[in-house]
Amino acid sequence: SQQGEEDPQALSIQEGENATMNCSYKTSINNLQWYRQNSGRGLVHLILIRSNEREKHSGRLRVTLDTSKKSSSLLITASRAADTASYFCATDEAGTALIFGKGTTLSVSS
Amino acid sequence: EPEVTQTPSHQVTQMGQEVILRCVPISNHLYFYWYRQILGQKVEFLVSFYNNEISEKSEIFDDQFSVERPDGSNFTLKIRSTKLEDSAMYFCASSTGGSYNEQFFGPGTRLTVL
Repeated sequence: SQQGEEDPQALSIQEGENATMNCSYKTSINNLQWYRQNSGRGLVHLILIRSNEREKHSGRLRVTLDTSKKSSSLLITASRAADTASYFCATDEAGTALIFGKGTTLSVSS
Repeated sequence: EPEVTQTPSHQVTQMGQEVILRCVPISNHLYFYWYRQILGQKVEFLVSFYNNEISEKSEIFDDQFSVERPDGSNFTLKIRSTKLEDSAMYFCASSTGGSYNEQFFGPGTRLTVL
């Protein structure tokens, strides 16, 4: 089955720097969603990008989707300590189930 | 802003006992889901529910699991006879539609089976 796989697994940056995380998947999708999870907490929906979209912005977040390469990237600009969390991409299969990757753990130090 | 809520936040149970995890989805949403995350592992899909019936389920969702929407607001996951390996964080999610819509997750219930 298809799944999103993020890289890097871990990323450490300083406040104010940009953070880029990548996600790859294996088969065709309808959409791809990015989520954030603070340690031991729930999943917060960040952004959804549809298969016919190439780029989407939401505040300091920029998501791109390249369906030919079956990949997506999440860029967080001007990162803050509060951005420290795990970030997951999730892709849909033929139905409604979301398939999650292992996530990228982002650490932003002040 | 409307959100998905889940109760309890933490449930401890003995192996072999039945547990019911409760969720209140966002009120105008039509699709409901359960996922689980074993500590340190990926979030895994369990089941989706629409129009009062299961629309999809994973291999994990075997006969010991069941879901129900007992009234107009609650959505429950029952595990009939818990096993040690059922220990995980269980997340409920809801969405307005199917594949093209965002799924919004609740804060999770941490289930510990002793």
